Amino acid sequence: GAGVSQSPRYKVAKRGQDVALRCDPISGHVSLFWYQQALGQGPEFLTYFQNEAQLDKSGLPSDRFFAERPEGSVSTLKIQRTQQEDSAVYLCASSSRDRGNNEQFFGPGTRLTVL
Amino acid sequence: KQEVTQIPAALSVPEGENLVLNCSFTDSAIYNLQWFRQDPGKGLTSLLLIQSSQREQTSGRLNASLDKSSGRSTLYIAASQPGDSATYLCAVDNFNKFYFGSGTKLNVKP
Repeated sequence: GAGVSQSPRYKVAKRGQDVALRCDPISGHVSLFWYQQALGQGPEFLTYFQNEAQLDKSGLPSDRFFAERPEGSVSTLKIQRTQQEDSAVYLCASSSRDRGNNEQFFGPGTRLTVL
Repeated sequence: KQEVTQIPAALSVPEGENLVLNCSFTDSAIYNLQWFRQDPGKGLTSLLLIQSSQREQTSGRLNASLDKSSGRSTLYIAASQPGDSATYLCAVDNFNKFYFGSGTKLNVKP
């Protein structure tokens, strides 16, 4: 596709439910990033993939958060036993890393509301 | 840990003014710096990327500069228009770990 896509765009979950958020990066992009953005704040780094390898997951806030990219393209961010503090916009970005250019391109985000 | 600060947090100007948005960071060992705009309820749109070896980048009415040694970047917007109203975010790349500021919310009045 022309850009990064994310689904669903909006998700409402009851506290304790599991959710899965999907990211389709730009075709051929090696790097993929997940961010969490609270209202009125800048995005906070969660995790980074290079192809299928998760090279950095230091930003994941708890062991309830899990991300995967099994074939090096589509990625899924899973949140188990959701809590109200998980309510945020989850953004995905991809980058080609072409000639050292690490320019990121973002998807529209998934707004998660936990009731 | 890298800390990124953006000043001012909000800015309201009349149409046609030139303006400067500021971004500062604490760790100068960065790979590159990227400026984005974010419209309400939307994702981030890339405006300019400055690699660590560069001093500035220009695109249309936008000019971004980078001074790594002092930990500063500025985004200059010439002849502002109402369509420029958005939140502007800077992000520093510490080698595949990106840190964002909280943004400057810009309102350009017709």
